[in-house]
Amino acid sequence: DAMVIQNPRYQVTQFGKPVTLSCSQTLNHNVMYWYQQKSSQAPKLLFHYYDKDFNNEADTPDNFQSRRPNTSFCFLDIRSPGLGDAAMYLCATSRDLKQPQHFGDGTRLSIL
Amino acid sequence: QQQVKQSPQSLIVQKGGISIINCAYENTAFDYFPWYQQFPGKGPALLIAIRPDVSEKKEGRFTISFNKSAKQFSLHIMDSQPGDSATYFCAAKERGIQGAQKLVFGQGTRLTINP
Repeated sequence: DAMVIQNPRYQVTQFGKPVTLSCSQTLNHNVMYWYQQKSSQAPKLLFHYYDKDFNNEADTPDNFQSRRPNTSFCFLDIRSPGLGDAAMYLCATSRDLKQPQHFGDGTRLSIL
Repeated sequence: QQQVKQSPQSLIVQKGGISIINCAYENTAFDYFPWYQQFPGKGPALLIAIRPDVSEKKEGRFTISFNKSAKQFSLHIMDSQPGDSATYFCAAKERGIQGAQKLVFGQGTRLTINP
């Protein structure tokens, strides 16, 4: 049974049109992460939430935002997607800051 | 700056053979080294991990060898099977913001096991 669930699996949006990707978890983990993975590349951490505390990576563009309304859900908002934002977006969770991360199957985002 | 260097980029092994993927790192503050397996269209799945106080860890057909002095670690897949065909990422954990487990990934190795 999937424990980190990402919806939708595939998302198409237009250049500049805001888009929101969703992640939910049944693990009751405290930490949720968002990664960007471009084709044939390693995942790149964008930010993470430890409980309600948001932590942004220094090189994450301002175009990317996140919300975590409760323990189970976390959203990735891309305010004005550019062609370079086309990628697989991966959500991961961990019980606490030092425990292994569990990944969802990702949302593949395409920009028209 | 690539903190974790992984090689080879791609690897083809015959069924039943041994697959070996290597990683090297520079940051001596890394204290946790996981390997992830990723199938097409799926997220990475934790395969096996090691801490620097041991030199080897084995789980089934998968073994991590760790050389702390050389700052290198490798994944060995014994009796490789076509179902092992996937992309493998090594990673290392560094202490990030507020102590989070920030994973630094290698570039990935696309492994193909020929039947």
